[in-house]
Amino acid sequence: AQKITQTQPGMFVQEKEAVTLDCTYDTSDPSYGLFWYKQPSSGEMIFLIYQGSYDQQNATEGRYSLNFQKARKSANLVISASQLGDSAMYFCAMRERGGYSGGGADGLTFGKGTHLIIQP
Amino acid sequence: SQTIHQWPATLVQPVGSPLSLECTVEGTSNPNLYWYRQAAGRGLQLLFYSVGIGQISSEVPQNLSASRPQDRQFILSSKKLLLSDSGFYLCAWKPRRVATNEKLFFGSGTQLSVL
Repeated sequence: AQKITQTQPGMFVQEKEAVTLDCTYDTSDPSYGLFWYKQPSSGEMIFLIYQGSYDQQNATEGRYSLNFQKARKSANLVISASQLGDSAMYFCAMRERGGYSGGGADGLTFGKGTHLIIQP
Repeated sequence: SQTIHQWPATLVQPVGSPLSLECTVEGTSNPNLYWYRQAAGRGLQLLFYSVGIGQISSEVPQNLSASRPQDRQFILSSKKLLLSDSGFYLCAWKPRRVATNEKLFFGSGTQLSVL
């Protein structure tokens, strides 16, 4: 079974609109962390935001926020006031604290990504 | 500050030729090191990870191998490339300490095309 599911292969959004990128995860470990990365066409992986399973509040970093719904096992990324430079691939990833998640020695398990295109 | 270097940036190799991709990390000691592969339009697949010199674990059986001859050096190799080895290869590191909030730091990647 997939550990991280991103159901939106691609999205087109108008500039300045808010964007929600979906991510659901599968784990039985009570302690885990969720990450979002951005990958522009250059290929570099840019860390955006982190949410811990015990965090009481949703994480925020500038225009990025994470809509964390623990009971539903979802960790959607919200980008407010989208910009042309937000066009990129976006990956959701998870690390489980205690069990093996396929991320290898504390690595991360990634979803397949969402290709976001911001239109002017 | 810590930096990660990965080279070459692009590589075009014929089927059956050898491969060597190198990754080095600066500004830290005893990092965990990782090789990921990203097929076109797909997510990142973990290939190998290492928690110390000479310690390599493979996540997926394949035509590739990895080595860590020095603490901050990680090498991805193949004796004979296959067409299916084409993809974007990313090296990453994180501090050795165990914590759920430690993010991975990635290199700039190598685009490998096997023809």
